[in-house]
Order: sequence, then structure tokens, then C-alpha cells
Amino acid sequence: EVQLLESGGGLVQPAGSLRLSCAASGFSFTSYALTWVRQAPGKGLECVSSLGGNGVTTYYADSVKGRFTISRDDSKNTLYLQMNSLRLEDTAVYYCAKVGTTGVWDWGQGTLVTVSS
Amino acid sequence: DIQMTQSPSSLSASVGDRVTITCRASQTIGRHLSWYQQKPGKAPKLLIYAASSLQSGVPSRFSGSGSGTDFTLTISSLQPEDSATYYCQQTYSSPMCSFGQGTKLEIK
Repeated sequence: EVQLLESGGGLVQPAGSLRLSCAASGFSFTSYALTWVRQAPGKGLECVSSLGGNGVTTYYADSVKGRFTISRDDSKNTLYLQMNSLRLEDTAVYYCAKVGTTGVWDWGQGTLVTVSS
Repeated sequence: DIQMTQSPSSLSASVGDRVTITCRASQTIGRHLSWYQQKPGKAPKLLIYAASSLQSGVPSRFSGSGSGTDFTLTISSLQPEDSATYYCQQTYSSPMCSFGQGTKLEIK
């Protein structure tokens, strides 16, 4: 069974930094792309950043480009999202998702990031 | 970037009704389209993938159709537990993606 467990969310001040983690199990971690999706309070879903299965190719939404960095640690089966220069509009629940080759995505339960002074 | 437009943004229907939600892509995406159901405080739940494939465990009253730019999610006989927000997602640009703005479904 695929399991994805996000952690690292919390309250941070504007311009601050935070690192999210997503611990994965139940599948071959290095064989799949992984994506961070966020949802601001009362709003829709936004794909924020992806890491290819090769662990090298990265993708970022324009809204976070230059501020967020996605990476993974294969020895820990863990995906990360380093978030710098945080803004009020980055407040959201952040989900990690395993990108299935057939279109089936598996999701974690999310971690809440609140950017506020 | 591929933009996804969902309609309606909200609707109200009665138990037993047939409900249809539509999703349009700004460019052709083949059949790379998924539908999700989301209830408050919960992660999105996959209902349909590859435009018309029913995810395991999802009731058969849910169905999807379409290809290219126009897609439809249909609930054949609405149940009280179907009250939720529904999103379409294009995975043509996978591993990145984009979502429709959501359709909030209320049971009368």
C-alpha cells in the first residue's frame, strides 16, 4: 500500500523559510515522479513543484520559481520542499503526490503552512 | 501552461438526480484527465483517471467521458454522501499538472 506522510508545516513569518518533508513507503521510491500540490484556505488546488523519477529533473510553478527547491533523499525515501522568502500567499495545505504512469496519483494527507506576522 | 475551466462552479441537486460537471482544457490533452472528490479537511480522492477509468473502490454511479479538450463527470443517481467539491486535473503535462477551479455540489 502506498503511503505518503507529510511533515514540517507550521507558522512562519513573511520572508522566512520552512522545509517540508514527505516520507514515502509501499512503492519503489526512485521509479516515480513526485509532485507537491497546495491548497490555500477556501481555494482550489495548485501543482507547485515536481521532481522526475530520475531525481534530477525539476519543475516549478511560476508562483514559486526561484524561492522553492524540491529534492529527495533516496536513502530515506523522503521528498523535500525547501521554501524560502515565504509570502502571505504561500499559506496553504501542502500535499505530496506520487505521479502514476497511468494517471493514477496517490496523495498524502497534507501539512499546513501558515505565513503570518 | 494548460488552463482548465470547470462548470458550473456550484450546483444544488436532489438525491437520485443525475448530475453532470464539465471541464474544458485550453489545448488538447488526449485522455490525460482525472476527476477528484474533496470533502472539507480531507485530501482529494481520485474518482476517475484517463478520462473514463473508474478508480478501484469508487461507486459505479460515477463515470467520466471525453477526449481532446472537453470532458464530463457524471453522477448517475446522486447520494447524500456525494456532497463535496469536485475537481478536474490534467496530467498531460505530468509530472506537473493543473486543475479546474472546482465545482461545489450541494444536496438539496
